[in-house]
Amino acid sequence: EVRLVESGGGLVQPGGSLRLSCAASGFTFSDHYMDWVRQAPGKGLEWVARTRNKANSYTTEYAASVKGRFTISRDDSKNSLDLQMNSLKTEDTALYYCARGSIILGSRPSFDIWGQGTMVTVSS
Amino acid sequence: DIQMTQSPSTLSASVGDRVTITCRASQSISRWLAWYQQKPGKAPKLLIYEASNLESGVPSRFSGSGSGTEFTLTISSLQPDDFATYYCQHYDSYPLTFGGGTKVEIK
Repeated sequence: EVRLVESGGGLVQPGGSLRLSCAASGFTFSDHYMDWVRQAPGKGLEWVARTRNKANSYTTEYAASVKGRFTISRDDSKNSLDLQMNSLKTEDTALYYCARGSIILGSRPSFDIWGQGTMVTVSS
Repeated sequence: DIQMTQSPSTLSASVGDRVTITCRASQSISRWLAWYQQKPGKAPKLLIYEASNLESGVPSRFSGSGSGTEFTLTISSLQPDDFATYYCQHYDSYPLTFGGGTKVEIK
């Protein structure tokens, strides 16, 4: 079964740090781009960050709202994806989803598999 | 950044209705558009990719069309399981962005 399981969420004070993890199983993790997408309570979806695969040099992309504060990384040997979040702000409060980039010949990746999310609350 | 605008934001419909949701991009995104369905307390689910391609396992009552800046998601005959919120998302360039969502409610 293809599966993504996030962990690491919790309550943190403004200015603090948190590291989220996503454990992947049931597919060849190293082949795929991987992303983080978040959803503030009662709000819509917001893309956060992407890491490409080894074939594309593990390059990364970030939303402007998190660039310079968040770092996405992956460990293909452990089938894991991380998101290091520093200098957290109250507006970072959200459910954070790990999402897999699809692989379709001749196409670009959309998000074809999602985890169930881990909640991050930034509050004093 | 490319802005994605969905309409309507809320839609009331009955089982068996034909439902159409529109998504407009602030600039051309070719066909790099996906549609997702999200139910309360659940993760989003991919329905359509590259504007009109049905994801494996998704019922054929769902269809997508459009290119450039105007796209539609159509549910040909609304079923009880389809009451949910639907999001479009472009993947033409960075940052990737989502529409604000369309909530399909029971009439």
